[in-house]
Amino acid sequence: GQQLNQSPQSMFIQEGEDVSMNCTSSSIFNTWLWYKQEPGEGPVLLIALYKAGELTSNGRLTAQFGITRKDSFLNISASIPSDVGIYFCAGPDLIQGAQKLVFGQGTRLTINP
Amino acid sequence: DGGITQSPKYLFRKEGQNVTLSCEQNLNHDAMYWYRQDPGQGLRLIYYSQIVNDFQKGDIAEGYSVSREKKESFPLTVTSAQKNPTAFYLCASRDVGGATLRSYNEQFFGPGTRLTVL
Repeated sequence: GQQLNQSPQSMFIQEGEDVSMNCTSSSIFNTWLWYKQEPGEGPVLLIALYKAGELTSNGRLTAQFGITRKDSFLNISASIPSDVGIYFCAGPDLIQGAQKLVFGQGTRLTINP
Repeated sequence: DGGITQSPKYLFRKEGQNVTLSCEQNLNHDAMYWYRQDPGQGLRLIYYSQIVNDFQKGDIAEGYSVSREKKESFPLTVTSAQKNPTAFYLCASRDVGGATLRSYNEQFFGPGTRLTVL
């Protein structure tokens, strides 16, 4: 089945640093969703991308839909302690469409104050 | 406030007992999902339902059962046949009839239930 590969798997940064992570696939996606999961909680949708090349911001977060439709990127500027968590990318399954989402394995972000 | 409720937050059971996890939503969403998450891992789909009285197996359905008798409710039963039931369980919903492309694709998650089998 389809797979989404997230990189890096984990990040350890200092407060105030910028963060970059990405999500890649061998197959095309027509939608990219980025979620954040805080410890012990359910994932929360941060940004949704629907068009190749699209660049969308949500506060200090910026995500891009790759031109090839096989990748997406999430950047966080000037990180703060509340950015800690696991960031997941997701997209609709090639066969079942929106009925089923494919999730990446997540990028775990740790911030040293 | 509209949202997804999962109760309880923490659940403990003895090995060999069936246990039912609750998921309720007041978002008027047609589709509902159950995922399992193990420590340090991603989300794995257990079951999903697109409409009342209908549901499909996900990638790891063995040892689990569901029902969808009401639009707002999608309970998950973890049976004694599930070999490693201790995990974090997440329920999600999606607006199938959404008027925009955005709402059609997006899944919204509940706060999760952490099940520990002793």
